[in-house]
Amino acid sequence: AQTVTQSQPEMSVQEAETVTLSCTYDTSESDYYLFWYKQPPSRQMILVIRQEAYKQQNATENRFSVNFQKAAKSFSLKISDSQLGDAAMYFCAYRTPNTGNQFYFGTGTSLTVIP
Amino acid sequence: GAGVSQSPSNKVTEKGKDVELRCDPISGHTALYWYRQSLGQGLEFLIYFQGNSAPDKSGLPSDRFSAERTGGSVSTLTIQRTQQEDSAVYLCASSTGQGRNYGYTFGSGTRLTVV
Repeated sequence: AQTVTQSQPEMSVQEAETVTLSCTYDTSESDYYLFWYKQPPSRQMILVIRQEAYKQQNATENRFSVNFQKAAKSFSLKISDSQLGDAAMYFCAYRTPNTGNQFYFGTGTSLTVIP
Repeated sequence: GAGVSQSPSNKVTEKGKDVELRCDPISGHTALYWYRQSLGQGLEFLIYFQGNSAPDKSGLPSDRFSAERTGGSVSTLTIQRTQQEDSAVYLCASSTGQGRNYGYTFGSGTRLTVV
């Protein structure tokens, strides 16, 4: 069974500082993809960053980067130079092409950015 | 349309009534997904459509829940005899379903409140 765990229900960061959100997952598959989604109060889920499991290089999108540790099944999100607009719920998600197209989501981390 | 559109945005219904939630995916997206997000919880998979067929209905919580998709486009999620535990945000997402690294595009959801 595939599971995604986010152990930090809430996190806070000072504006302009760096914060890391944790995510672990459990799978027996070798071919899979990992994602971080952001959900602001508008409720719309916005894709932040994605990582292919077969790639060793960590994905980076501007101020957002991941630390992908495949052996440890860990996929953390680092937000650098935090901005007020980064405040939202962040969900870690997993997908494998080997069990259909379903995404598995963690329970989310609520990020507060302190001015 | 430019994005995934869901209607209504908010719905309050009395216990025991039936409700229909609508999702308009991005034009050309063949895959469509419904998820449920209860307060403080992650996203719970409900059903997935590829075209008009639903190869995976495993997430529907009971036989009071059903969904259909017509013309490979609009989808309707129907909840019969609503219960208070059905109160949640219902999110729809669509994707091309192509390629190995696709992500979802989400709508803004329908917040259902059963009173």
